[in-house]
Order: sequence, then structure tokens, then C-alpha cells
Amino acid sequence: GENVEQHPSTLSVQEGDSAVIKCTYSDSASNYFPWYKQELGKGPQLIIDIRSNVGEKKDQRIAVTLNKTAKHFSLHITETQPEDSAVYFCAASIAGGGADGLTFGKGTHLIIQP
Amino acid sequence: ETGVTQTPRHLVMGMTNKKSLKCEQHLGHNAMYWYKQSAKKPLELMFVYSLEERVENNSVPSRFSPECPNSSHLFLHLHTLQPEDSALYLCASSPDRANEKLFFGSGTQLSVL
Repeated sequence: GENVEQHPSTLSVQEGDSAVIKCTYSDSASNYFPWYKQELGKGPQLIIDIRSNVGEKKDQRIAVTLNKTAKHFSLHITETQPEDSAVYFCAASIAGGGADGLTFGKGTHLIIQP
Repeated sequence: ETGVTQTPRHLVMGMTNKKSLKCEQHLGHNAMYWYKQSAKKPLELMFVYSLEERVENNSVPSRFSPECPNSSHLFLHLHTLQPEDSALYLCASSPDRANEKLFFGSGTQLSVL
């Protein structure tokens, strides 16, 4: 089955700096890669996703890049703000697998230092 | 708000108790899920319901019993739990089982004493 590794487990950055979280996956058939943000006391919320037919996708201050050859994908957050502090999860799934085909990483606790 | 509501938010129970977790979604979705979230571990899929029919249980112990009376409501009945079952239990929904985009509730933080 699919295995998703996520690094780092904790990331502390100064407000205004950029943050990068990386994930690797094992199944070359995976082609859908979402990122979820979980704030304290809340459930995970989808913030951005990418499919394997594109290499990069941006949405304001967040972006995701995908390298299918190396089987890794990354979340980039620029100009970090206090409200970016949360736990971020990556995931991967195979086409047609639906939501129950998602394999999640262990999460990255992002801390934005004022 | 995500449109998925879970109650209670917190639950403490003894190993001999019976309790139920409730989930309700207001999104008109046809698929609902139960996940277990433990510290330092990936989200674990427990149960999947599509159009009120259970399609997967991922070898979950029988002390966890799901129920989906209609497409908007999902329950997780708990009995004779173990301390290692203490975790955050998340409910999620998606438009249908083929759609990967999950909408999560805020979860029930369960402590088993």
C-alpha cells in the first residue's frame, strides 16, 4: 500500500518568513495530493490540492509543488502570519480511489514566532 | 464552519460504559467517514458510508459500531473500550465516495479511563 512520509514534524519560523513542508510517497500510481490545515480545537480543512498533470499550483500565499519523478511534493507558505500557526497534513491517493483511498502523513506543527 | 457538526466535543468514559458519538452534515453529501486521530500518527480511516451503506471498516475492533440512519447523520457507538482507544474521533463527509475532498467536523476528544 501507499506510504506517505512528512517532514519536519515541527517547524518554527519568524513571522514574515517563508515555511516549507515536504512529503514523499511510495506508490508511483498516486496522482492526487491534498494539503489539510488543522487549527487548535478544529478538524482538518483542505487548503490546497494538486493533481499529477501539473507541477505547481498557487493560491495567494500558499503553493504546492510536485515532483513525480522523485515522488515528493511540498507546501510553501510565504509571508507567514500568526494565523498560519497550525498542524498541516499532506496526503496522497490513486485516481479513482476516492476519499477512502487517501493516505495521510503524520503532520507538521507549524509555529509562527512574532 | 465546515457544515459538519460533531457532538459531544469531549467525552470521558470508563471501560465498561456505553456511549455514542454523533455527526451531522448539512452539505448534502452522500458519503460519510469516521477517522481516528492519535498523537504523532497519521489519520486512520475507520468506517466509510456511501448512500447510507457501509462499504469499508478497515478491520476496526467490534467495540466500535457505526450507524448511518440517513445520508446526513452518522453515529459511532462505543462499548467496552480500552485506554488505548483514547483519541480524537473525526467525522468527515464528501460529495460522493469518488470525490477525494473531505470536509471534517471538529471531532470528539475521547478519554477512556
